[in-house]
Amino acid sequence: DARVTQTPRHKVTEMGQEVTMRCQPILGHNTVFWYRQTMMQGLELLAYFRNRAPLDDSGMPKDRFSAEMPDATLATLKIQPSEPRDSAVYFCASGLVDRADFKGNEKLFFGSGTQLSVL
Amino acid sequence: AQTVTQSQPEMSVQEAETVTLSCTYDTSESNYYLFWYKQPPSRQMILVIRQEAYKQQNATENRFSVNFQKAAKSFSLKISDSQLGDTAMYFCAFIGGSQGNLIFGKGTKLSVKP
Repeated sequence: DARVTQTPRHKVTEMGQEVTMRCQPILGHNTVFWYRQTMMQGLELLAYFRNRAPLDDSGMPKDRFSAEMPDATLATLKIQPSEPRDSAVYFCASGLVDRADFKGNEKLFFGSGTQLSVL
Repeated sequence: AQTVTQSQPEMSVQEAETVTLSCTYDTSESNYYLFWYKQPPSRQMILVIRQEAYKQQNATENRFSVNFQKAAKSFSLKISDSQLGDTAMYFCAFIGGSQGNLIFGKGTKLSVKP
């Protein structure tokens, strides 16, 4: 079965270090989302891309977070420098969206997430 | 802005019994979609069921069904014949209008007891 692949599955790092999380969307999908999950805030959208172009990254702290899609098979989320408050599970999701906005007709597939701990 | 509220942080049910999870939402949109996602301990997010707002008929998927009350902005999930494998976090989610992302509720932790 096709699936979204995220690496690494777990990451422990020290405050101030750079963290890079990777996502391989399902082949043929044109939309990629990054979500962050914490106990306090639940699932928050950080950024999303369509056809590799960033559409919305308003949920992402701009000073330390960056998201890119260097090609159609790879999306990255980078934190530099990392802080303890960044500790969370980061999910990538992909889907095939025919229209300008995701309306729900299309299925959204989630990866297994990266559990990040910043000490 | 759209919001999704799940008022039950935790619930439990006996195996084979029926349980209902609550979800309310707030929006000014007339066309939108609602979803229930399941997240087991493996962390994987799994789509359980989907409802289009313009459809009056409640969606069903095997043992899962919804009670969609558009006027009341309510979207509850009913799980019949609960199984141990149904133990998970359940998230209600909304998308509508020109918005491009899913808004999630805070989740309900469901435990199915043998």
